[in-house]
Amino acid sequence: QSVVTQPPSASGTPGQRVTISCSGSTSNIGTDTVYWYQQLPGTAPKLLIYHNNQRPSGVPDRFSASKSGPSASLAISGLQSEDEADYYCAAWDDSLNGWVFGGGTKLTVL
Amino acid sequence: QVQLVESGGGVVQPGRSLRLSCAASGFTFSTYGMHWVRQAPGKGLEWLAAIAYDASNEYYTDKVKGRFTISRANSRNTLYLQMNSLKPEDTAVYYCAKDRSGLLGADQWGQGTLVTVSS
Repeated sequence: QSVVTQPPSASGTPGQRVTISCSGSTSNIGTDTVYWYQQLPGTAPKLLIYHNNQRPSGVPDRFSASKSGPSASLAISGLQSEDEADYYCAAWDDSLNGWVFGGGTKLTVL
Repeated sequence: QVQLVESGGGVVQPGRSLRLSCAASGFTFSTYGMHWVRQAPGKGLEWLAAIAYDASNEYYTDKVKGRFTISRANSRNTLYLQMNSLKPEDTAVYYCAKDRSGLLGADQWGQGTLVTVSS
């Protein structure tokens, strides 16, 4: 049971906007920076968002994120078939003194 | 560009040991913290351990504390994970990852190495 919770699945049609939530606590998301990762089938995770809402170079601006208190969310606009992947949020947990991942959300593009 | 290449995975019997390596290139290894993260078959990501850029601090998830040891050789641009007393539930793909800043999260990942613990 992860200390950071994500919905197990999400879906949308091409062109739609979808959001994925990430719920933590004051010891992790509420205090520290949130990272988001995309994992395409059979590949290693790839950084999508760091420091709550910053995109690394090369990540399309269709991907955006926000944080409010102990919760965060990832938004994908103009959904494309290649966005079908697993998405993970993560944050350092000051109580556990370690990095914690959400359980992951499998995004399906219908 | 940043490259992280894990090695050392394989099939090992329960109770035995294994050491994973992660060869880093394309960045100044000695100035970045590093992480080990694993993913059991069909499951999510699980952070295991982190080490500061100068090895001054190590952090572990409780699940592996006392069994796994993270270390690094900055002169060889290599990260290690020594895994002892392996259990079937340690079966997973093991990834090394470069920390972005302050051991708060990773920005680059290796391709992973599979460890299977089975008799």
